[in-house]
Amino acid sequence: GAVVSQHPSWVICKSGTSVKIECRSLDFQATTMFWYRQFPKQSLMLMATSNEGSKATYEQGVEKDKFLINHASLTLSTLTVTSAHPEDSSFYICSARDGGSGSYNSPLHFGNGTRLTVT
Amino acid sequence: AQTVTQSQPEMSVQEAETVTLSCTYDTSENNYYLFWYKQPPSRQMILVIRQEAYKQQNATENRFSVNFQKAAKSFSLKISDSQLGDTAMYFCAFIHTGNQFYFGTGTSLTVIP
Repeated sequence: GAVVSQHPSWVICKSGTSVKIECRSLDFQATTMFWYRQFPKQSLMLMATSNEGSKATYEQGVEKDKFLINHASLTLSTLTVTSAHPEDSSFYICSARDGGSGSYNSPLHFGNGTRLTVT
Repeated sequence: AQTVTQSQPEMSVQEAETVTLSCTYDTSENNYYLFWYKQPPSRQMILVIRQEAYKQQNATENRFSVNFQKAAKSFSLKISDSQLGDTAMYFCAFIHTGNQFYFGTGTSLTVIP
């Protein structure tokens, strides 16, 4: 089955520093990847849609300069949290759909998530 | 706008019993897909089952089945013979043409031994 790998699983960083999270589709090509944020015991909140070779589409209220997304290849998207602050501490999950299936009923395949703690 | 509602924040069920999780959605679209995802304590999102809106037959996957009522815009998940490993958050999700999935707020299910 389709596998999405997300790295790192957890990261602790100091306030003011930047953190990069990688999301890779291991056995399929993903023209589109999605970045979600999840607070404890809450649902997934879509942050942005990452499109290979073009700019990401951000959801309303998400600061594009703070959450930099790059999707340079069909198998890799990265999310960089710049100048992190304690309020950025959260669980971040990436997902992708198998671009080869060609149908919008393709399920989302999720990475294992990254727990970010900003001290 | 599309919305997905899960009205049961928390549920519990005895091991080996059956439990039903509810989900309703609102859309003006006619063709769409519905999914149930499971998120265990590991927080890995796992696809449980999916349903095409144009199919009247309810989807089944082993112990998991859905009751899809298109007119009522209802998509409930039934878990039979509940197992301890079924303890998780369950999210209902909806998608029509395009890429955006709409997730419900989730139901936390606890299977009691």
